[in-house]
Parts: sequence; C-alpha cells; structure tokens
Amino acid sequence: AQSVTQLGSHVSVSEGALVLLRCNYSSSVPPYLFWYVQYPNQGLQLLLKYTTGATLVKGINGFEAEFKKSETSFHLTKPSAHMSDAAEYFCAVSGPSGTYKYIFGTGTRLKVLA
Amino acid sequence: EAGVTQFPSHSVIEKGQTVTLRCDPISGHDNLYWYRRVMGKEIKFLLHFVKESKQDESGMPNNRFLAERTGGTYSTLKVQPAELEDSGVYFCASSPQTGIDTQYFGPGTRLTVL
Repeated sequence: AQSVTQLGSHVSVSEGALVLLRCNYSSSVPPYLFWYVQYPNQGLQLLLKYTTGATLVKGINGFEAEFKKSETSFHLTKPSAHMSDAAEYFCAVSGPSGTYKYIFGTGTRLKVLA
Repeated sequence: EAGVTQFPSHSVIEKGQTVTLRCDPISGHDNLYWYRRVMGKEIKFLLHFVKESKQDESGMPNNRFLAERTGGTYSTLKVQPAELEDSGVYFCASSPQTGIDTQYFGPGTRLTVL
C-alpha cells in the first residue's frame, strides 16, 4: 500500500525567502514521486518527478526536490519565493505495479507575502 | 497541442438528479484517469481506462457512479442519483502509455449537490 503525508495545509513565506514544502511517503514498492501545482481555476501542472537515478530532481520555475529513501521524504524547495508561486501544491506517489495511479497528499496552500 | 479538457467546469444539481461529466484527453493518449477531491481532503483515484477498457475501478465509491470511454477517446462519468457527499472537484488526467509517464490533468469539474 502507498500513502503520502504533506505537513502543513497552509504555509506562508515572505517574497524572496526559502520555500520548503514537506512530503513524506509510504510505499511497499520503489516509489515514483511527483509534485504538482494548481493555480486558481487551472488544472494540476507537473513541477517535477522522481522515478529512478539522481535523487536531486530539478523542475520548472526554480523548484527542486530531493528523494531521501532513508527518511521516506520528498520535500519541495525553492531558494527564493516569488509572488507568482502562490498556489496549492500536491505531492503524489505512484509505483511500478498495477495501473500507476497516483496517491496524493492533502495539498499545501502556499501564500507569498510582499 | 490541446490539453485535457473537461465539461462542464461547474455543475449545481439537486440531490437525486443525474449529472454527466465529460473528459477529453490529449489526442493519442491511451490512458485516462478519473480522480475526485472532496473539499479539504486529498485527491483520490476513481478509475483508470486503457483505451476503452476499464483497467482499474477500485476507487469508484459505489454503483451510482458509471464511467464509460466510447471508442477509446473521450470519457464520461455519470452520477445517478446524486447524493450530497458526491460534491467535490472531479479531475480527469491522461497519459500516453501506462507506466511512469506523467499524467496530464484537466482543470476539473466542480460538482455541487444541494
């Protein structure tokens, strides 16, 4: 079975500050991990994904995440927040079995303060 | 290339009525997924089509929900009769092939059952 926990349903950061959104997962098979972002009135957009290989994954808009197997974590970071980063972020896990359906966390809404 | 589209964007119905949601995947994508997000909770998997066949419908809540994918193109999700707890945002996603391919999400249909 797979599950995802996102700590913090709401996170506020100042513009220019570090963004850190936490994601911990549980998986009985090697996990595939994803971060998606949803801007208002839009669909979910892929930020980045980890499947195999390099554990530090770079995505769009300056975001990156590091897969840490020992900590079962896949936290999302960005060195400097921009006002346009305000959105809801979802962590998801999938795996090499079954239909590759996604198991999502509950989402974290990021607010960027001027 | 057009993305995943969903219709309608919003639907408000009375308890006991029938509603049909439609999803048009990206052209050429064999895989089509339906997910649902109930307010404040995680996005949950409903079912997965490969072309016109249901590959996994383990997430369908009950037999009031019927999904079809005629000819392996667009898909419909019918709720009959609708109950209050069916309210939420219904997302559709598609991917080219089963596996670690990224799923591309539509903007969702917000269903409100009164």
